[in-house]
Amino acid sequence: SAVISQKPSRDICQRGTSLTIQCQVDSQVTMMFWYRQQPGQSLTLIATANQGSEATYESGFVIDKFPISRPNLTFSTLTVSNMSPEDSSIYLCSTGTAGEQYFGPGTRLTVT
Amino acid sequence: ILNVEQSPQSLHVQEGDSTNFTCSFPSSNFYALHWYRWETAKSPEALFVMTLNGDEKKKGRISATLNTKEGYSYLYIKGSQPEDSATYLCAFLTYKLSFGAGTTVTVRA
Repeated sequence: SAVISQKPSRDICQRGTSLTIQCQVDSQVTMMFWYRQQPGQSLTLIATANQGSEATYESGFVIDKFPISRPNLTFSTLTVSNMSPEDSSIYLCSTGTAGEQYFGPGTRLTVT
Repeated sequence: ILNVEQSPQSLHVQEGDSTNFTCSFPSSNFYALHWYRWETAKSPEALFVMTLNGDEKKKGRISATLNTKEGYSYLYIKGSQPEDSATYLCAFLTYKLSFGAGTTVTVRA
């Protein structure tokens, strides 16, 4: 199993600014995932982050908008850049295998 | 884009009553279906990973069934308690997890 913490737990940001979300895992893991849940929508995969390589982004998500770092096997960051109200969401990081995924508690972002 | 649908979107249950809700998913190229329980401000918690047609899994008062041929899974809560109040997510596994929008259950004391 894995225990995941995220910072911040919530934030209110002005449009046009950027926010970096941190994700810490209590053990070394190969793959980390970043998800977003917009209000009333499904949890959607943004990108997969492997240590030592560039993140792989899903259709509809681009590196300029959501740059990701993965400096080591226990840590990752997601930056939401040049924010607009449409970026108001819960952002979750996770790790695991096809058999089981472990999630962080999420970062609730409101953009005004 | 994979269509994973959950219904109803929300439901209210009296304490002690039983309830169930549905997840529907593509019936072709099935690999696995996950169920998660997500309480506000907490991490989603894995409930079940279901892989075989006809699977039935149970965890305490919560159980789930799987029909891969027709593309649906039911989650059952028996004798609902206030601590069962949460959003229940299903996710269809291909190379990634594709989630439904969830069923939010509120149990009234």
